[in-house]
Amino acid sequence: NAGVTQTPKFQVLKTGQSMTLQCAQDMNHNSMYWYRQDPGMGLRLIYYSASEGTTDKGEVPNGYNVSRLNKREFSLRLESAAPSQTSVYFCASSSTSGFTNEQFFGPGTRLTVL
Amino acid sequence: AQTVTQSQPEMSVQEAETVTLSCTYDTSESNYYLFWYKQPPSRQMILVIRQEAYKQQNATENRFSVNFQKAAKSFSLKISDSQLGDTAMYFCAHAGLFGNEKLTFGTGTRLTIIP
Repeated sequence: NAGVTQTPKFQVLKTGQSMTLQCAQDMNHNSMYWYRQDPGMGLRLIYYSASEGTTDKGEVPNGYNVSRLNKREFSLRLESAAPSQTSVYFCASSSTSGFTNEQFFGPGTRLTVL
Repeated sequence: AQTVTQSQPEMSVQEAETVTLSCTYDTSESNYYLFWYKQPPSRQMILVIRQEAYKQQNATENRFSVNFQKAAKSFSLKISDSQLGDTAMYFCAHAGLFGNEKLTFGTGTRLTIIP
């Protein structure tokens, strides 16, 4: 079991470039999430997907789009990167069965926008 | 909306001592989950301990325990016999009761264990 995997681990972009962050989980979880982590601000939710075929905005969705490609994969796209999107991005997943509500996190992607 | 507050940006303690990290939260829900996550320099988010709000008993996991005060909306983490490997950022988080509930995080406490 790989758990939650993210690619790439590091990325440098120029302002205006686009890119997609990939996330996959092999735990058969229904729910998946994208967070960003900035110094002094903890993790903030960008988008989430409660189940395959659904996506919803989180706290800071502006400048991002997501795709729940299938049950395993949830991608985050930056259409026109801005320096304010320099951050560490985490993908997470959780199961809707049972009542532990634990989220499992990927290793993160450090993104720098110049 | 839920909010989570960690008022201690940084703490340090001698190895083998006990340290307590504070967390307060605000929610209108009566049942929910609270978590402490650890983030070492590797950046990986690791679940340390979980508390269900409907359980009165405080959760414990080996050297880690919580003091959950529901009425005061307080959820502190106690680390006993601290070890060098406990050096990390610690985040308190809140989530609703069901499996698809998103997490609301505090801003974190950077804990350093001094040899």
